Amino acid sequence: SAVISQKPSRDICQRGTSLTIQCQVDSQVTMMFWYRQQPGQSLTLIATANQGSEATYESGFVIDKFPISRPNLTFSTLTVSNMSPEDSSIYLCSVEDPLRAGAAFFGQGTRLTVV
Amino acid sequence: QQQVKQSPQSLIVQKGGISIINCAYENTAFDYFPWYQQFPGKGPALLIAIRPDVSEKKEGRFTISFNKSAKQFSLHIMDSQPGDSATYFCAARDTGRRALTFGSGTRLQVQP
Repeated sequence: SAVISQKPSRDICQRGTSLTIQCQVDSQVTMMFWYRQQPGQSLTLIATANQGSEATYESGFVIDKFPISRPNLTFSTLTVSNMSPEDSSIYLCSVEDPLRAGAAFFGQGTRLTVV
Repeated sequence: QQQVKQSPQSLIVQKGGISIINCAYENTAFDYFPWYQQFPGKGPALLIAIRPDVSEKKEGRFTISFNKSAKQFSLHIMDSQPGDSATYFCAARDTGRRALTFGSGTRLQVQP
């Protein structure tokens, strides 16, 4: 399975600041996905990031708040901008394994606390 | 509607028993149905998955049953062990978008 590394694993941030989360994959993948998991809740898709094109955002998520970069086939970043306590969540990067069609794997997540 | 409905919200099973978690969906564009296991502080881990042209898939103690006409699928954990205590999520993948829509999760507790 694809190995996904996320940085940082956790952070505590001040209200109004921004945090950039990095996602590195050990193989080239076409699509990368960013999810949010609020405390005790399920996972919700934020956006899909394809290399060479702008990310596609889900309803309720906007580029100004969650800008995404996808500079190559193994790396992506998600920025959480102008943070408020409501942004406190686990943010997860996911990719579809190129060798196992449909199988999606997740990083360990970034646990963000906004104070 | 992209929803995937999951039940029960929580489940307590005795060691050696069978754990059953159910999910239902509406979107006929879903083409892949995985189950994930998540331990506290960890990302979801792919447990087992099925495609809609198959009615059942078994891997070790884990079995997925799939009913395409009813748009329902379920996870059965046989001989449940305390180490199985975790949160389980069903999910469904959209053919076009390829992203996953998750159920609400089931917190399983296996008592020794």
